[in-house]
Amino acid sequence: EPEVTQTPSHQVTQMGQEVILRCVPISNHLYFYWYRQILGQKVEFLVSFYNNEISEKSEIFDDQFSVERPDGSNFTLKIRSTKLEDSAMYFCASRVRTSGEQETQYFGPGTRLLVL
Amino acid sequence: AQSVTQLGSHVSVSEGALVLLRCNYSSSVPPYLFWYVQYPNQGLQLLLKYTTGATLVKGINGFEAEFKKSETSFHLTKPSAHMSDAAEYFCAVSLAKLFSGGYNKLIFGAGTRLAVHP
Repeated sequence: EPEVTQTPSHQVTQMGQEVILRCVPISNHLYFYWYRQILGQKVEFLVSFYNNEISEKSEIFDDQFSVERPDGSNFTLKIRSTKLEDSAMYFCASRVRTSGEQETQYFGPGTRLLVL
Repeated sequence: AQSVTQLGSHVSVSEGALVLLRCNYSSSVPPYLFWYVQYPNQGLQLLLKYTTGATLVKGINGFEAEFKKSETSFHLTKPSAHMSDAAEYFCAVSLAKLFSGGYNKLIFGAGTRLAVHP
């Protein structure tokens, strides 16, 4: 069964450093998402991406964040200058688009980011 | 604005007992509703979803949920708990932007951790 993959599974970085979290969505999917879950808190929407551009972003997704689909398979989340409060589990999700009914978002296993 | 409330951050049941995980939502228009499960060190897996049609939906692993519009609820149930059901369960809602491509971000509840004891 196709699945969303994410790398790395864990990343430790120093405050102020740039990190890039990578995701490989399911191959025929067209919508891509990033969510995050700070330890002990809700899963929160960060950004959605369609047709090579951001379609929606939350207030969390400030200028320090960017997303990119550099090739036909990868979908990346970059944090330019990490802060302590960026420590969280980051989930990538993807969805196929069909006309009409809502389709399921398939989630990857997550990247646990720890900013020291 | 949409929101999701899950009553009970921790639920503990005996093996073979009924599982009931509560979810209430707030939405200005009829939402799409989802239950996801997260096993330790794994991603979020869809259990079931309600979009339109029959209000009682069945999912994987014997779970089901009923959409009750009058109560704005979407509670998750399973008649008989199994040890393997121990996990964290998330209720989520989305509002399809039908006229703008349907980007469909998910709004999650805080999650309920289910423990199953022998």
